[in-house]
Amino acid sequence: GNSVTQMEGPVTLSEEAFLTINCTYTATGYPSLFWYVQYPGEGLQLLLKATKADDKGSNKGFEATYRKETTSFHLEKGSVQVSDSAVYFCALSDQGSGYSTLTFGKGTMLLVSP
Amino acid sequence: DTGVSQDPRHKITKRGQNVTFRCDPISEHNRLYWYRQTLGQGPEFLTYFQNEAQLEKSRLLSDRFSAERPKGSFSTLEIQRTEQGDSAMYLCASSLAGLAKNEQFFGPGTRLTVL
Repeated sequence: GNSVTQMEGPVTLSEEAFLTINCTYTATGYPSLFWYVQYPGEGLQLLLKATKADDKGSNKGFEATYRKETTSFHLEKGSVQVSDSAVYFCALSDQGSGYSTLTFGKGTMLLVSP
Repeated sequence: DTGVSQDPRHKITKRGQNVTFRCDPISEHNRLYWYRQTLGQGPEFLTYFQNEAQLEKSRLLSDRFSAERPKGSFSTLEIQRTEQGDSAMYLCASSLAGLAKNEQFFGPGTRLTVL
């Protein structure tokens, strides 16, 4: 079956530090890959996505590249802000489910201090 | 606000009681999904509808759980004879089938606490 593995948190950084949150996946076929973010007290929001190998998703300074050879989709940001403090979820959907259902990782909490 | 809405936001109930949650999707979206999220875990898929048809159910959805989407718009999720293990955040999402590989938009969730 499908699965997503994320690095455990919390990840604690100072403002302006470089961020990497690792994500690897197991899936049949050719999945689409997503990063969702959950700010305190709010619902999940789509941060970025990539639908095929070597695609790079980007949004709000965050980037992730779909690496089929390493089955990875690591999230990066060059300079984090306090407002980026949230829980980040890596997820996939695949052809087997008609790209309908999402399989999520456990989430990684990011804490950014001033 | 034209996003996904859920009601109630919080529900506290005693073990053995029945509860019902409601989800209103984005109005033009024809797919609606239910997920469950427990503390420290990512959301887990429960079921989804396309219009009024329930197309897939996870094995997580025991016989005590039932979901409906009678007119292809809002949906309800009912849990009968609640157990303490049902305590979780119940998330609803919606999407437009075929568009952007079914990009899903999530509501704020209903937090259920079973005492």
